[in-house]
Amino acid sequence: EPEVTQTPSHQVTQMGQEVILRCVPISNHLYFYWYRQILGQKVEFLVSFYNNEISEKSEIFDDQFSVERPDGSNFTLKIRSTKLEDSAMYFCASTAGRIEQYFGPGTRLTVT
Amino acid sequence: GQNIDQPTEMTATEGAIVQINCTYQTSGFNGLFWYQQHAGEAPTFLSYNVLDGLEEKGRFSSFLSRSKGYSYLLLKELQMKDSASYLCAVRSGNTPLVFGKGTRLSVIA
Repeated sequence: EPEVTQTPSHQVTQMGQEVILRCVPISNHLYFYWYRQILGQKVEFLVSFYNNEISEKSEIFDDQFSVERPDGSNFTLKIRSTKLEDSAMYFCASTAGRIEQYFGPGTRLTVT
Repeated sequence: GQNIDQPTEMTATEGAIVQINCTYQTSGFNGLFWYQQHAGEAPTFLSYNVLDGLEEKGRFSSFLSRSKGYSYLLLKELQMKDSASYLCAVRSGNTPLVFGKGTRLSVIA
């Protein structure tokens, strides 16, 4: 069964460093999403991406964040200058028809 | 904005039935979703309701009343592996999903 994959599974970085989180959505899906979940808190929407551009973004997704689909398969989330409060689990999700979203296993980002 | 409420924790016995409630307030309602999330893992899709009524899928059923802003997830014949968080999420128009804080279900023997 096709699945969303994410790399790395765990990323440790120092405050102020740039990180890139990678996702490979399911191949025939058209809509892509990034969510984050701070430990013990709810899943929060960051950004959605369709037709090679951002379709929506939340207040969390400020100028420090960017997304790209560089090669037609990968979908990346970049955080330019990480802060301590960026420590969270980051989930990528994709869907073909905007109903069932398939989530990847997540990347645990730890900012020290 | 959207407001989603669900109980923080519930405990139920193996083999029993449990109902997890979710109430929401939103404009332009366009679907309610239930996801299961085991600790440290990604959410997995369980169900989707956009019209009033009950949707059944094996041991899991989900109910929606749009007029009351209310949904529940019903789990039958509980198994130990059902111990997880259950996330209620709402979509308004074509906006992205807004998740509730989740209900942590503990199934005990």
